Amino acid sequence: NAGVTQTPKFRVLKTGQSMTLLCAQDMNHEYMYWYRQDPGMGLRLIHYSVGEGTTAKGEVPDGYNVSRLKKQNFLLGLESAAPSQTSVYFCASSGGDHRGLSSYEQYFGPGTRLTVT
Amino acid sequence: QQQVKQSPQSLIVQKGGISIINCAYENTAFDYFPWYQQFPGKGPALLIAIRPDVSEKKEGRFTISFNKSAKQFSLHIMDSQPGDSATYFCAASREAATDSWGKLQFGAGTQVVVTP
Repeated sequence: NAGVTQTPKFRVLKTGQSMTLLCAQDMNHEYMYWYRQDPGMGLRLIHYSVGEGTTAKGEVPDGYNVSRLKKQNFLLGLESAAPSQTSVYFCASSGGDHRGLSSYEQYFGPGTRLTVT
Repeated sequence: QQQVKQSPQSLIVQKGGISIINCAYENTAFDYFPWYQQFPGKGPALLIAIRPDVSEKKEGRFTISFNKSAKQFSLHIMDSQPGDSATYFCAASREAATDSWGKLQFGAGTQVVVTP
């Protein structure tokens, strides 16, 4: 099992450009999450999904959109990139069946380092 | 406003020493408290987790201490090793809430460096 994979690993964008980050998981998890990680701020939830076809806003959703057309994939889009979106982006998934401590464990991908100039 | 406050920001400890990281929370509805470990260039990975019905949980050299009345919990790394050098995040969640969806509130992180 590959677990959670993210593409691309690195990307440099100019202000105003758009891009899509792809997250894929092969654990048949229901729940998927997108976070951004900035120094001194921990991980902040951008958007999340509790099942195929459903998405919801997290703590810092502005400037981002998401889609979950297939259970195993969760896409994060930036329509018009801004320098404030320079960050490391992590995708995570969890089983979501709430039947035990391990079902809440979130498995993280390796991250995408995005720089917006 | 961070719902989980973590300290210290960084920590240097000698090999064999004890690393202690503290977290405090305000929301009494939180009922699941995991710690994640992150190595440079990698994603975070679950290290150990606790629910508030116990005051302590130990897994190998890692121990969580939980003080429900003080709304604080801490991670102790005993006999710290250079391989423990990483960033550690505490987190909290409302596991029992039907609208929680497993969402975690993370602390800001603590960078631990274990010197040989």
